[in-house]
Amino acid sequence: GAVVSQHPSWVICKSGTSVKIECRSLDFQATTMFWYRQFPKQSLMLMATSNEGSKATYEQGVEKDKFLINHASLTLSTLTVTSAHPEDSSFYICSASLAGGRSDTQYFGPGTRLTVL
Amino acid sequence: GNSVTQMEGPVTLSEEAFLTINCTYTATGYPSLFWYVQYPGEGLQLLLKATKADDKGSNKGFEATYRKETTSFHLEKGSVQVSDSAVYFCALSGSGTYKYIFGTGTRLKVLA
Repeated sequence: GAVVSQHPSWVICKSGTSVKIECRSLDFQATTMFWYRQFPKQSLMLMATSNEGSKATYEQGVEKDKFLINHASLTLSTLTVTSAHPEDSSFYICSASLAGGRSDTQYFGPGTRLTVL
Repeated sequence: GNSVTQMEGPVTLSEEAFLTINCTYTATGYPSLFWYVQYPGEGLQLLLKATKADDKGSNKGFEATYRKETTSFHLEKGSVQVSDSAVYFCALSGSGTYKYIFGTGTRLKVLA
């Protein structure tokens, strides 16, 4: 149980285009989803916290107009990288927490590798 | 603020060797502590967790004990296998928040 999927698993796009990444909790409802960015051989950097039905909370230094997050349902959150540039190339990982605050355990998706040419 | 300090890698061991990866934390209140494992090209998988002092989390031969007196949550395994080669992350979830603070990760390489 507690499976989180991401789509796509990898994407290559041209500079200036926008890319949408989906994060889905497959067998549970997630009140809260998190978006992370991971640089090669480094730890995860929290970008934003997404709560169903409300605006995402972004961490300091993360541009909310560049990284648009939508959490439209208890099983789906999306991250859109707008006007992508090569420096946005990274591994993006989402995670989800069980609804109702019953657990602080996060379940992670497999990640999406974004390459911007 | 809260923080997690993890031993730097890489750690290289022979198969069947004993593993210890150190993790210490700084936090107010009573955080929950986690170990996650990341295999190459994949996301993170929960390995084990502990939610209060003296709790021992265990899974797949790995163990870690929540030591409040030393603010530590060291990961151990008695006999590692080649398939354990991965990056291991220690993390905490602070009291009243579900946001994680991650350590920098420790890369483990097990040689046959």
